[in-house]
Amino acid sequence: ELKVEQNPLFLSMQEGKNYTIYCNYSTTSDRLYWYRQDPGKSLESLFVLLSNGAVKQEGRLMASLDTKARLSTLHITAAVHDLSATYFCAVDTSGSRLTFGEGTQLTVNP
Amino acid sequence: DAGVIQSPRHEVTEMGQEVTLRCKPISGHDYLFWYRQTMMRGLELLIYFNNNVPIDDSGMPEDRFSAKMPNASFSTLKIQPSEPRDSAVYFCASSLIVAGVETQYFGPGTRLLVL
Repeated sequence: ELKVEQNPLFLSMQEGKNYTIYCNYSTTSDRLYWYRQDPGKSLESLFVLLSNGAVKQEGRLMASLDTKARLSTLHITAAVHDLSATYFCAVDTSGSRLTFGEGTQLTVNP
Repeated sequence: DAGVIQSPRHEVTEMGQEVTLRCKPISGHDYLFWYRQTMMRGLELLIYFNNNVPIDDSGMPEDRFSAKMPNASFSTLKIQPSEPRDSAVYFCASSLIVAGVETQYFGPGTRLLVL
């Protein structure tokens, strides 16, 4: 059974600081997704990573994928309050079937 | 585009009642997914369709759950009879594969509370 594990599950950080969220998965896959969910809201797609070594950046967020290590990272640079949300990684295992991680609840404090 | 539309947005019902959740995918998308989100189990895929045909229903928890997609613009998820442990947020998502890249777009969700 595929396992997708995120670390940390809860992250409280100050504005202006940098931090990284990790996503490990237990089976071979070359497609990984990052989503954002605001409290009480739906999921919003952030990044699609399609191959080993893929790196995508949008604003203060940068995602990377290492398929050999079965690891993806979501790096936050100079955090701002608006980034407070829960971030999910999801692994595409077969066809369109996604398995989601537990989510990382990020709180950015002024 | 209006995005994925779900109804109702909130549903409160009593144990034993039938519940029907509805979803309208984004026009032109040929994949439709039903997910359930709870604090205990996180986000789980229940079932997904391709071109209105169910492809994988292995996530459907038990026979009380059923899903249909009678046409490309409408799907339902039915729970009969409902139980308190079915309380969750149910998301519908749709996607389209373009040049090998697929992104699932989620609807706003239906918050279900079974008393």
